[in-house]
Amino acid sequence: SAVISQKPSRDICQRGTSLTIQCQVDSQVTMMFWYRQQPGQSLTLIATANQGSEATYESGFVIDKFPISRPNLTFSTLTVSNMSPEDSSIYLCSAQGERSTDTQYFGPGTRLTVL
Amino acid sequence: LAKTTQPISMDSYEGQEVNITCSHNNIATNDYITWYQQFPSQGPRFIIQGYKTKVTNEVASLFIPADRKSSTLSLPRVSLSDTAVYYCLAFPSGNTPLVFGKGTRLSVIA
Repeated sequence: SAVISQKPSRDICQRGTSLTIQCQVDSQVTMMFWYRQQPGQSLTLIATANQGSEATYESGFVIDKFPISRPNLTFSTLTVSNMSPEDSSIYLCSAQGERSTDTQYFGPGTRLTVL
Repeated sequence: LAKTTQPISMDSYEGQEVNITCSHNNIATNDYITWYQQFPSQGPRFIIQGYKTKVTNEVASLFIPADRKSSTLSLPRVSLSDTAVYYCLAFPSGNTPLVFGKGTRLSVIA
């Protein structure tokens, strides 16, 4: 199994600022994903972080608001730009191993509060 | 992607066996059925995955009938620490991201 860590674990930010969340996996993985989970809700996929190319965003999420980097097979970042209170949520990264049937593992999440 | 339907919530007493059923009528041939558990303020944790018949591990059992249109997660002798949200997903092979439904909120009562 893969062990995934995220930094920061939580943050409180001011409206209009940006926050970059880091995701580190303890082994090389093929796929990395970013999700958002609002209080009491299920997880919503933001984007697939592609190594060496631009991320693939889901409907309702755009690169200008959520730029993503994936410089190698173990690391990715998600930036929440120009934040508003509506961006307050838990942001989770996940990773899947090399085989197509490998399980996806999740990080502990980053709890973001925007004032 | 196959849509899954499961009860919104369930209650159980400690020590009982809990069965959570999930329907996935339009499951594809190459989909695996996967269950995750999520505690408050934590990321989802993989519990079990299967394709057909029965799979058992140290945490749970997963029963999948021959038509694969439903599946049942069985948790033996639950304890208070099993209180969590349980998600059923049809996981397509081929590096596709997971799509989460609303999940089942299980409350275990002493």
